[in-house]
Amino acid sequence: DAGVIQSPRHEVTEMGQEVTLRCKPISGHDYLFWYRQTMMRGLELLIYFNNNVPIDDSGMPEDRFSAKMPNASFSTLKIQPSEPRDSAVYFCASSRLAGITYNEQFFGPGTRLTVL
Amino acid sequence: DAKTTQPTSMDCAEGRAANLPCNHSTISGNEYVYWYRQIHSQGPQYIIHGLKNNETNEMASLIITEDRKSSTLILPHATLRDTAVYYCIVRESGNNRKLIWGLGTSLAVNP
Repeated sequence: DAGVIQSPRHEVTEMGQEVTLRCKPISGHDYLFWYRQTMMRGLELLIYFNNNVPIDDSGMPEDRFSAKMPNASFSTLKIQPSEPRDSAVYFCASSRLAGITYNEQFFGPGTRLTVL
Repeated sequence: DAKTTQPTSMDCAEGRAANLPCNHSTISGNEYVYWYRQIHSQGPQYIIHGLKNNETNEMASLIITEDRKSSTLILPHATLRDTAVYYCIVRESGNNRKLIWGLGTSLAVNP
């Protein structure tokens, strides 16, 4: 398996523009997570899905952020309009359900977003 | 907020054991302890997890105190490739898949 795939790997945009980040989870995984990482705040969970349904979006900073998972193999995180404070590395991760114990999350390589 | 406390940074000599401590004094009976690491410019990678018993796998050992208020991750023979930020995380059992990440310990393995 190729692992979790994210695109683009780097994105530079200007303030006010729309940004779309994409993620392909590992085949067969039931859960998909979107994280944001900055030096100041560390790794923050934005939202996660189970079987394509959003379960917890309490980490989404504001209405400018939205996430969708139209099918089991694809998810997007959209920022509209983007602001300089959105500059961060965005990670997507996936995991599968296999009993009551925890199942490790597999992370993608991340998308480094810079908003000028 | 993170439920764990870790030192900001540590050093270790190559070939020696690296012992990374973590305090989780408010842990409840059904919460697991998880360890991940993040090598520079990569996504985090799962290492190990445990509830109350000590655990060992091919990467590391996890020692949890009897009162479960602290734990230690042990890398038995650290290599330069183990240089990374190590995160200790407490998560609720059951269907909650949410992890609350702290700032971790930056481990430098020196030659």
